[in-house]
Amino acid sequence: SQELEQSPQSLIVQEGKNLTINCTSSKTLYGLYWYKQKYGEGLIFLMMLQKGGEEKSHEKITAKLDEKKQQSSLHITASQPSHAGIYLCGADRDGGSQGNLIFGKGTKLSVKP
Amino acid sequence: EAQVTQNPRYLITVTGKKLTVTCSQNMNHEYMSWYRQDPGLGLRQIYYSMNVEVTDKGDVPEGYKVSRKEKRNFPLILESPSPNQTSLYFCASSPGRSNTEAFFGQGTRLTVV
Repeated sequence: SQELEQSPQSLIVQEGKNLTINCTSSKTLYGLYWYKQKYGEGLIFLMMLQKGGEEKSHEKITAKLDEKKQQSSLHITASQPSHAGIYLCGADRDGGSQGNLIFGKGTKLSVKP
Repeated sequence: EAQVTQNPRYLITVTGKKLTVTCSQNMNHEYMSWYRQDPGLGLRQIYYSMNVEVTDKGDVPEGYKVSRKEKRNFPLILESPSPNQTSLYFCASSPGRSNTEAFFGQGTRLTVV
């Protein structure tokens, strides 16, 4: 079955620094989703990537899906305390099962003022 | 407002006492899922439903039951809760097409003593 591996597991950065979180799939990705979660709260949708080579940005967050469609990266530019939280990548299970998702274990991001 | 509503948000119960966590969505979504989130293990799917009266096991279904009698509701039932079911639970819904984001409820923190 398909698995998603995120790295790093946790990250502490100084405010203003850039950072990257990676998500690697054991199988080809047909839909890759990035979510953010504040501790103990619900998941907030950030971005969805579908095509190999696709790149999307929202404010200071940019996500890419590599050409081979087995890895995605999430890049935050000039991090702020508001970026702190858990970032989760999700994918349509085993090649597009219409909304049936699997998730990576998450990356916990802390931003020091 | 489009949303997924879970109740209760917090619950402390005793081993063996049956409980139900409700989930309701107002977006006419076909797909609904239940996940549990545990430290170090990430978000794992318990059950999912592709439509009314259609449910299937996820990755960790043992000790749980679900039903989908109406499109908008997808309750999670713990017939005889045990301490290893202490967790943070999330309900999610999506339209049921590939590459469409899932919407998550705010979570239910369950403690079984």
